[in-house]
Amino acid sequence: DIQMTQSPSTLSASVGDRVTITCRASQSISSWLAWYQQKPGKAPKLLIYKSSTLESGVPSRFSGSGSGTEFTLTISSLQPDDFATYYCQQYNSHLFTFGPGTKVDIK
Amino acid sequence: EVQLLESGGGSVQPGGSPRLSCEASGFTFSNCAMSWVRQAPGRGLEWVSGISGSGHSTYYADSVKGRFTISRNNSKNTLYLQMNSLTVDDTAVYYCAKYQAFTIFGVVIDFWGPGTLVTVSS
Repeated sequence: DIQMTQSPSTLSASVGDRVTITCRASQSISSWLAWYQQKPGKAPKLLIYKSSTLESGVPSRFSGSGSGTEFTLTISSLQPDDFATYYCQQYNSHLFTFGPGTKVDIK
Repeated sequence: EVQLLESGGGSVQPGGSPRLSCEASGFTFSNCAMSWVRQAPGRGLEWVSGISGSGHSTYYADSVKGRFTISRNNSKNTLYLQMNSLTVDDTAVYYCAKYQAFTIFGVVIDFWGPGTLVTVSS
């Protein structure tokens, strides 16, 4: 199975900060990577797929990049609604695997 | 508007066999592969199972293979998860989720239901 790791596990930031989260795959997954946002008690929400394609309706301050085994999610200017946990997920294999998550909280 | 609504969760004893259901609306159900993803309390996300749009192809995580069965009824726009031989490790919120397309290969999950909690406890 493809293993996913994320760093950092927790990130403390302020409104307006530029935030970057890194995701790594245990083997190449080309660009088959998605990012989800999850708030407490809620279902995950798709933000980005195919490494860098923004899902419809997602604010343009979110962006993704990378290919192969290393990927990043960037929030260009953190907004109050962005405090949440972010998960990366590979879909190179039909046995989807998720990263352990990165919690973005208020500094 | 896409909607997914899970039901069938609750408290069950170890060894129990509940069946989860997910009613879908707002999209052409038979055109989309579907999935179950779970999240243990305070933990991350774990993909459990997937099924093609036709229902002819099914896939399972190793942790549930042989115990869980995914199925769908396209005439009723409903997805199911039959869970057998449950253990405390199966305690989780179970999310119903749809893929962007008919197949699960190279396709992302783009929408999730609110989830239903299954608690395995004696």
